[in-house]
Amino acid sequence: QVQLVQSGAEVKRPGASVKVSCKASGYAFSTYGIAWVRQAPGQGLEWMGWISPYNGNTRYAQSFQGRATMTTDTSTSTVYMELNSLKSDDTAVYYCARLVGADRRWFDPWGQGTLVTVSS
Amino acid sequence: DIQMTQSPSSLSASVGDRVTITCRASETISDYLNWYQQKPGKAPKLLIYAASTLQSGVPSRFSGSGSGTDFTLTINSLQPEDFASYYCQQSYRTLYTFGQGTKLQIK
Repeated sequence: QVQLVQSGAEVKRPGASVKVSCKASGYAFSTYGIAWVRQAPGQGLEWMGWISPYNGNTRYAQSFQGRATMTTDTSTSTVYMELNSLKSDDTAVYYCARLVGADRRWFDPWGQGTLVTVSS
Repeated sequence: DIQMTQSPSSLSASVGDRVTITCRASETISDYLNWYQQKPGKAPKLLIYAASTLQSGVPSRFSGSGSGTDFTLTINSLQPEDFASYYCQQSYRTLYTFGQGTKLQIK
């Protein structure tokens, strides 16, 4: 079955960077984009951006442009999301999700989420 | 960016009730609208895509409608497992955006 498995929880200091991984299985990896969405404690979903494993093209939400970097490793069917210059309000659960559809697009399935805590 | 506004932000209902959640886009998005359900401590789950197409495995008591700027998610005959948060999301522009969410609570 299609599955996305994310790396474990992280605790980082303000100003540091974090790199979260998302390993895909059960489908042709390069065929579907992977999106990243985060959720701060008690808050809603915030779309961060997405990457095409086929050609490495990326698109970032304006609030993450220049601070988030998404990459892929097709040899291991893994997507990475690195976020730099961490601040306390970057504390959140970070989800990856497969981007499905050719024209109308949706996210399915989702990874289990990775909690990133930023604290001094 | 396209802004998505859901209403209400929270809703109390009883088992067996029919509830409707509304999502409004800041510009026309045709039917490029999806709905997700999220339970506490869990990842979101796709319910409906392209405004009205039920994802495989989702109970038929869930339905979606709308086009343009106004959309609705309807749940008929609420079941205990339906009490959760619900989010709409547009895919008309590749800067995908979510609504702020609606929390459905037991009355």
